[in-house]
Amino acid sequence: NAGVTQTPKFQVLKTGQSMTLQCAQDMNHEYMSWYRQDPGMGLRLIHYSVGAGITDQGEVPNGYNVSRSTTEDFPLRLLSAAPSQTSVYFCASRRQADQPQHFGDGTRLSIL
Amino acid sequence: TQLLEQSPQFLSIQEGENLTVYCNSSSVFSSLQWYRQEPGEGPVLLVTVVTGGEVKKLKRLTFQFGDARKDSSLHITAAQPGDTGLYLCAGATNRDDKIIFGKGTRLHILP
Repeated sequence: NAGVTQTPKFQVLKTGQSMTLQCAQDMNHEYMSWYRQDPGMGLRLIHYSVGAGITDQGEVPNGYNVSRSTTEDFPLRLLSAAPSQTSVYFCASRRQADQPQHFGDGTRLSIL
Repeated sequence: TQLLEQSPQFLSIQEGENLTVYCNSSSVFSSLQWYRQEPGEGPVLLVTVVTGGEVKKLKRLTFQFGDARKDSSLHITAAQPGDTGLYLCAGATNRDDKIIFGKGTRLHILP
């Protein structure tokens, strides 16, 4: 059982570069979310999706885009990376709205 | 804006001691979840509480959901070094589809 798979595990970017963080789940979960985790800040919700074709903003959406063309995949795009986006990014999925979330192992992103 | 406040932020105690960490909010949640996270890994679910006043036990861990469903506590009896980690509470509401996390309690159990 793969669960939630995030790629890459590590990435270093220069300011202004763009990239896509990949997230895939094989549990047929409708709900998927992206969080960022910074020291002392816990997990902050960036964007989330309640099903294919539907996305919405979380607490800190600026500078990030998402799409949900399939149930399995929920990529997170950084359009023009900034040092403030240096963080650990976690993708999560769950079956229903108030069900517990399954997390990936995270992507550690550094913006120089 | 719904906020979840966790306290204490840090806790370092000796093996064998008991401890309680708290998760408080002014918002009502339909369910509240507790996760534990170890370095380099994603959070892993410990328990979900859904009914006001509910108490759940997981070995030496006791979780309680407040009667008004605005707060929760995690009590650890006879803490072990293996309990060391970051404990996160997260709340879900009926108003939207978001799950919001507290900032976490970093627990260190000294052998």
